Amino acid sequence: DQQVKQNSPSLSVQEGRISILNCDYTNSMFDYFLWYKKYPAEGPTFLISISSIKDKNEDGRFTVFLNKSAKHLSLHIVPSQPGDSAVYFCAASARGGGGSNYKLTFGKGTLLTVNP
Amino acid sequence: DAGVTQSPTHLIKTRGQHVTLRCSPISGHKSVSWYQQVLGQGPQFIFQYYEKEERGRGNFPDRFSARQFPNYSSELNVNALLLGDSALYLCASSLLSIETQYFGPGTRLLVL
Repeated sequence: DQQVKQNSPSLSVQEGRISILNCDYTNSMFDYFLWYKKYPAEGPTFLISISSIKDKNEDGRFTVFLNKSAKHLSLHIVPSQPGDSAVYFCAASARGGGGSNYKLTFGKGTLLTVNP
Repeated sequence: DAGVTQSPTHLIKTRGQHVTLRCSPISGHKSVSWYQQVLGQGPQFIFQYYEKEERGRGNFPDRFSARQFPNYSSELNVNALLLGDSALYLCASSLLSIETQYFGPGTRLLVL
């Protein structure tokens, strides 16, 4: 059962335009969400996170939006640059669940290609 | 500052063999987590350790084991390797078990 879903395997955008990557989740216990970027032959690099008490978090060109009622989050990259071309993973954890294990549950990733 | 380091970077083993993968967390981080990533999938949680104690285990067989040392480094051991164990093994560290996890470059394991 896929608790975190990234339904678009790939996305192609032009340099300078906005990239929007989407993620849906099913587990209502998730209360902390993260986006990671991964280049080939490297480990995932942390980009940005958001707690469920917020609906938006911004860091430079990256903004994450959270819609709890729809169990949906999105990552906006503006403006997109060729160096942003990578696989983007959405991840979630249940930090307030009362347990002691804060594992991350990942989606399958979306390959973003930014064309010059 | 050095990030999370993992060794070796690549490894080739045959079925039935045993493998040990190593991870050094970011300085000051006390929690280490292990993930397995197979091609086309996101990383899957294997273990989390905090202050040398196991805090969680994912849906992996008992052939997988891990430990954390007093200096917070960690080892992942896999016994009786199967072809399906071929994957990228990722280590992540965090200041506390609840904090954002930062990943190392991974160890790519190929089982023949």
